[in-house]
Amino acid sequence: NAGVTQTPKFRILKIGQSMTLQCTQDMNHNYMYWYRQDPGMGLKLIYYSVGAGITDKGEVPNGYNVSRSTTEDFPLRLELAAPSQTSVYFCASSSVRGPRDGYTFGSGTRLTVV
Amino acid sequence: GQQLNQSPQSMFIQEGEDVSMNCTSSSIFNTWLWYKQDPGEGPVLLIALYKAGELTSNGRLTAQFGITRKDSFLNISASIPSDVGIYFCAGLNSGGSNYKLTFGKGTLLTVNP
Repeated sequence: NAGVTQTPKFRILKIGQSMTLQCTQDMNHNYMYWYRQDPGMGLKLIYYSVGAGITDKGEVPNGYNVSRSTTEDFPLRLELAAPSQTSVYFCASSSVRGPRDGYTFGSGTRLTVV
Repeated sequence: GQQLNQSPQSMFIQEGEDVSMNCTSSSIFNTWLWYKQDPGEGPVLLIALYKAGELTSNGRLTAQFGITRKDSFLNISASIPSDVGIYFCAGLNSGGSNYKLTFGKGTLLTVNP
């Protein structure tokens, strides 16, 4: 049981480049989330989805886009990378009971924009 | 948006010592969760609390859901080196959208052997 899988684990981007952070889960979870983690700042919600075809903005959505065409996949797109997007990105999912049972997190993608 | 105040921000302790950390909020939560994040990994759920006053243990860890529903506490007894990491509290509020957890900023725990 793989849980939540994120790829890549590390990436260096140049300013202005684009990339997609991949996230897939095999637990048939309805809810999926993208967070970024900066040192000492905790976890900030970028986007979330309550099911296939439904996405919504979190606290810090600017500079990012998401899509949810299947239950399993929730990719995060950075269109024009900026140094402020240097961070560790975590994807998470939760069951149909919702976050009351907690999230399952992926192991993260460490992104550096130079 | 909602905020959770987690304290302390960091702790340096000796192996064998007990640890206490807490989370407070200006809003009521109906679920409190505690996570641990090992270096280079994603957070992992330690304990979930669903009722005011509830006290739940998981090995050497004990967490409590505050009576006011605006706070929660985590205690670690007899710390060991593998307790090192960042501990996050998270809350789910009782009204509006229940899709999203609110996270504290974390407590960084260092254990000296």
